[in-house]
Amino acid sequence: AQSVAQPEDQVNVAEGNPLTVKCTYSVSGNPYLFWYVQYPNRGLQFLLKYITGDNLVKGSYGFEAEFNKSQTSFHLKKPSALVSDSALYFCAVRDLVTGFQKLVFGTGTRLLVSP
Amino acid sequence: NAGVMQNPRHLVRRRGQEARLRCSPVKGHSHVYWYRQLPEEGLKFMVYLQKENIIDESGMPKERFSAEFPKEGPSILRIQQVVRGDSAAYFCASSPQTGTTDTQYFGPGTRLTVL
Repeated sequence: AQSVAQPEDQVNVAEGNPLTVKCTYSVSGNPYLFWYVQYPNRGLQFLLKYITGDNLVKGSYGFEAEFNKSQTSFHLKKPSALVSDSALYFCAVRDLVTGFQKLVFGTGTRLLVSP
Repeated sequence: NAGVMQNPRHLVRRRGQEARLRCSPVKGHSHVYWYRQLPEEGLKFMVYLQKENIIDESGMPKERFSAEFPKEGPSILRIQQVVRGDSAAYFCASSPQTGTTDTQYFGPGTRLTVL
């Protein structure tokens, strides 16, 4: 089955420092990977996706993600964190086995950026 | 350009009552997905609908839950005879097509509390 894993429940980083939120995937076939962010009591906002092509994907709010096929990873990164980046981040993969439509989400990583 | 709209944002029901959750997709989107988020967990797929058709309901509980997306009007997720375990945030997402690369855009969610 298609799945993603987010090994860290929480990531703490100081404002201005680079941040990384980790995600590894397990899929049959080509992976279609997504990152979403959820602010408190809000819905999910789309950040970026990897479909094919360049392994470095740039997204919204200065975020980017690096696709690494050999390590089956899709880590989310930002060069300089902001306090306003504090939120819950979800990695997701498109389920191409049981259906093209559904997204399979990781358990989420809470990012806390301290001033 | 209005995004996905969901109402109500908060819904309180007593055990045994019915809950109706509404979702209006992004204008021009004809594909709707419902996900459920239990406290401190990631999102789990429930059902995928196109206009007047249920395409994939593999994530729906077998009893008490139903969904529809009529030709006119919003998509409805209906939960009959609610129980405390139904307390969760229910998110709707929409996409313009059903291609594997398409992004799903999420609404703000309906937070259901069952007393």
